[in-house]
Amino acid sequence: DTGVSQDPRHKITKRGQNVTFRCDPISEHNRLYWYRQTLGQGPEFLTYFQNEAQLEKSRLLSDRFSAERPKGSFSTLEIQRTEQGDSAMYLCASSLDRASLGAFFGQGTRLTVV
Amino acid sequence: AQKITQTQPGMFVQEKEAVTLDCTYDTSDPSYGLFWYKQPSSGEMIFLIYQGSYDQQNATEGRYSLNFQKARKSANLVISASQLGDSAMYFCAMREGRGAQKLVFGQGTRLTINP
Repeated sequence: DTGVSQDPRHKITKRGQNVTFRCDPISEHNRLYWYRQTLGQGPEFLTYFQNEAQLEKSRLLSDRFSAERPKGSFSTLEIQRTEQGDSAMYLCASSLDRASLGAFFGQGTRLTVV
Repeated sequence: AQKITQTQPGMFVQEKEAVTLDCTYDTSDPSYGLFWYKQPSSGEMIFLIYQGSYDQQNATEGRYSLNFQKARKSANLVISASQLGDSAMYFCAMREGRGAQKLVFGQGTRLTINP
């Protein structure tokens, strides 16, 4: 499978626990994005990497959220001290440099905080 | 103000008919890109079509075409000869500004194709 891969697909955690999600982009894609999608809404931008550099972060990304892309390949998104409001689908996407190309999305990680 | 507005929460269409999904956008930047994505129940966002703000012609990709009316700031998606597999959520999105990376999405339209 050469698409964007996300792991795990589902995560249930207790409030206050830390969680980490992984995203493996399409191999030749240098751009990587994280989005969050709540029920009935469109995805909301969280952050963007070009290679290993994190170039843009949304105000939605509070201090409890951190994302890394250490070698410019896979990326991790960590949420510390999870809250019930963090329950959502976390989508990763990757793309090449051409503006006309849409980003390719993974199937997402559905987080439920209980 | 909403950057992307999709006014149709749900659409029901008979198989083989054409369907238009509405999208209006709000920007003062002359350089922007408009995208449509399909999200089936599996959750994956599937890129369908792109229109750049300087493109002179409407974009087309197979059964998908984008009715781009710049003065009205609308970018409607037209699906011709709809199929049962077209049933899904459809999102319009905009990337605003030269060099910008983030996409701003609308709230989506749920399209149901009836046999």
